[in-house]
Amino acid sequence: GESVGLHLPTLSVQEGDNSIINCAYSNSASDYFIWYKQESGKGPQFIIDIRSNMDKRQGQRVTVLLNKTVKHLSLQIAATQPGDSAVYFCAEMGTAGNMLTFGGGTRLMVKP
Amino acid sequence: EPEVTQTPSHQVTQMGQEVILRCVPISNHLYFYWYRQILGQKVEFLVSFYNNEISEKSEIFDDQFSVERPDGSNFTLKIRSTKLEDSAMYFCASSTGTVEEPQHFGDGTRLSIL
Repeated sequence: GESVGLHLPTLSVQEGDNSIINCAYSNSASDYFIWYKQESGKGPQFIIDIRSNMDKRQGQRVTVLLNKTVKHLSLQIAATQPGDSAVYFCAEMGTAGNMLTFGGGTRLMVKP
Repeated sequence: EPEVTQTPSHQVTQMGQEVILRCVPISNHLYFYWYRQILGQKVEFLVSFYNNEISEKSEIFDDQFSVERPDGSNFTLKIRSTKLEDSAMYFCASSTGTVEEPQHFGDGTRLSIL
């Protein structure tokens, strides 16, 4: 079946460094992707999204890159802060409806 | 900033009992969703709801599950006869009526079946 997966389950970075979280997807028909941040005891919080007709989108301190050729998605966080410590999920949506398929998550740990 | 709210935050129920999880979606949103996350696992889609009917559901959403929008603000998930394996975090989400818009999630209800 189709799935979305993550390469690294845990990423540890120094405060102030940049972080890169990666995600592979297998459904070539997916046309919308979202990154969510989940802090302990909270629900997934929307960070940034990208549509399949784009390869890059920037937000505040975050950038999402989409490589459709290799079906790869990444989230870059600039100047990582302790408040960025959380689990990050990528999610994809196909063309058949509004169902989101989530990846397994990457835990980002920021060392002060 | 408007947010999705869910109640209760934690529900403990005996196996076989019915449980209702409640959600208040963002007020101008038209699509509503339930997802669940078993401890240590991925967030999984259960059901989407639009225009007072189910628009999509997963194989998890069997006959024991139902959803309802009883009034203009609440969106509920009912599990008719709970099983041990229903223990999970249940997240409600909502989005605007357009496709390819982000779904905004509540902080979830932790359901514990004894």
